[in-house]
Amino acid sequence: GAGVSQSPSNKVTEKGKDVELRCDPISGHTALYWYRQSLGQGLEFLIYFQGNSAPDKSGLPSDRFSAERTGGSVSTLTIQRTQQEDSAVYLCASSLGTRLSGNTIYFGEGSWLTVV
Amino acid sequence: DAKTTQPTSMDCAEGRAANLPCNHSTISGNEYVYWYRQIHSQGPQYIIHGLKNNETNEMASLIITEDRKSSTLILPHATLRDTAVYYCIVRGMNYGGSQGNLIFGKGTKLSVKP
Repeated sequence: GAGVSQSPSNKVTEKGKDVELRCDPISGHTALYWYRQSLGQGLEFLIYFQGNSAPDKSGLPSDRFSAERTGGSVSTLTIQRTQQEDSAVYLCASSLGTRLSGNTIYFGEGSWLTVV
Repeated sequence: DAKTTQPTSMDCAEGRAANLPCNHSTISGNEYVYWYRQIHSQGPQYIIHGLKNNETNEMASLIITEDRKSSTLILPHATLRDTAVYYCIVRGMNYGGSQGNLIFGKGTKLSVKP
């Protein structure tokens, strides 16, 4: 597709269950980012991928959160044993990932997660 | 932490220019100024970015002061659909890890009124 695609767009899950969120970046974009935005709050950086490797995992809030990227394209964010405080919109973004100046990051529409 | 300071909120009359200020007094020579906006319940939308020179595209104009310590985003003819939270972000040129990341502050909530 033309933009960053995320699925599911909405997910309601029970506390304690695992969830997987998928991100399909813009074709050709080697850099991929995950952010989280809780209701009424700002965007919180979670993790950054360059190709398949994740040089920056500093934003992952706990060891229940993990992410992987295979084939340099699609990424999956996994939350294990979900808690109610995990309820948020999870945003994926991508960019060309080169050192070119002004390398713009483009966002998807997010996956809304509600933990009940 | 975000390296920018923006007013919490602003109002603008429909059809008038919206001028959104941003202070980034600690910006370094290899850092760009980026603007994004977020309309309720949607992902952030890229608007414009610049380094030193003023920039213009189909959405907006970006005016950067000569000392680069502040900038203004201009929406020339605001419409009701421009109501959103506008984020001014300073971003390093040396991408890799958090240096290339976008650090979002609280932004300016722009309300365009009829």
